[in-house]
This record gives sequence, structure tokens and C-alpha cells, in this order.
Amino acid sequence: EAEVAQSPRYKITEKSQAVAFWCDPISGHATLYWYRQILGQGPELLVQFQDESVVDDSQLPKDRFSAERLKGVDSTLKIQPAELGDSAMYLCASRRTEVYGYTFGSGTRLTVV
Amino acid sequence: AQTVTQSQPEMSVQEAETVTLSCTYDTSESNYYLFWYKQPPSRQMILVIRQEAYKQQNATENRFSVNFQKAAKSFSLKISDSQLGDTAMYFCAFFAMEYGNKLVFGAGTILRVKS
Repeated sequence: EAEVAQSPRYKITEKSQAVAFWCDPISGHATLYWYRQILGQGPELLVQFQDESVVDDSQLPKDRFSAERLKGVDSTLKIQPAELGDSAMYLCASRRTEVYGYTFGSGTRLTVV
Repeated sequence: AQTVTQSQPEMSVQEAETVTLSCTYDTSESNYYLFWYKQPPSRQMILVIRQEAYKQQNATENRFSVNFQKAAKSFSLKISDSQLGDTAMYFCAFFAMEYGNKLVFGAGTILRVKS
């Protein structure tokens, strides 16, 4: 069964350092989402791509976060500099055209110390 | 803005019994979809069940069923014959194409199934 691949699975970084996460969606899925899930809370959308274009990044803290999906396939989410409050699970999901066609990756758990 | 509220932070149930998780939502959209997702500890989010708002019949998937009350904007999940493997965080989620084609999640309910 096709999966959304994310790496790394876990990341510990020091405050003020740069960190990057990678996501490879299911082949053919044009829509890609990055969600942030703080422990004990529901996921919140950070950025949404349609192919290589950003559709929604209204909740992305653009002073420190950036996201790209250059060829409309895999995507990278970067944080620079990391802050203690960025500690969370970062989930990637992709979707085909069907509404219920979401598939989530296993996430990257970030701890900022 | 669309909001999803799950008022039960934690629930527990004995194995083989039935439990109901609550969810309410707020929207002005007429065409939308509702979902329940399961997130086991340290594992990925998986879809449990979905409901199209235009359908009056409540969705059912094996031991999982929903009670969709459109007028009340309520969408509860019933788990029958609870199993230890049902232990997880459960999220209610909303999707509307007119609202950006993105899932909006509730805060989640931790369900613990006890033997």
C-alpha cells in the first residue's frame, strides 16, 4: 500500500538552530499539506500546496518557517531559528482528488531544547 | 471560520463495551464532509469513518458508526464491542471545498480501552 514518507522520524535540536523536515507524498497526489500537532492537541494546518504552488500559508510563521515543493513532488519544511515553542509533531499529508483521499505520514517529532 | 469542538479530553471503556465520542462543529457551508480519524500512540493518523453532509443516512463501518445531526451540527462516533486496539487519540475533522480543501481538526479525545 502506498505511503506518505517523512523523515526524520525524530529530531532534537537546540534553540536558534535550523531544522528541516522532508515529505514524499503518494505518487500522483497533487495536493500536499503540512500540519503541526502540539502534544495533546489537534493538528493545525501550516501550509497547503497544489502541485508546486502554495495555496494556503496563512498560519505559517513566515519569519522563521519556510516550505517548498519545487517540482510538485516532494516537499521540505524548514524552521530557522528554532524556538522552544516549536516542539511538536509535524505531519505531512497528501490527497488525490477525492475528498476522503487523504493519507498521512508518520510525522516528524521535533524537540527543541 | 469553521470550528470543530470535542468536549471530552479523555474517555475510558471496558473491553467489549460500547462508547460514544462527541463532536460538534460550526459552519455556514451547506456542502461539507465530516470525518473521524484515529491516531494510535506513536503511529500515523488513519481514517475511521466519513460522512457526507448531504446524506441523511448515518455512516457505518463495522464496529464504528456515527450519529450525524445536521441541524444540531453534531457528529458523534460510536464504537461497539470495544477492543484493546481501539486505544488511541480520536479526532473529529471537517472538510469543505469552499473552505480551502483542507481538514480542520478538533482537539481530540483520548480513548483508553481497559481489559
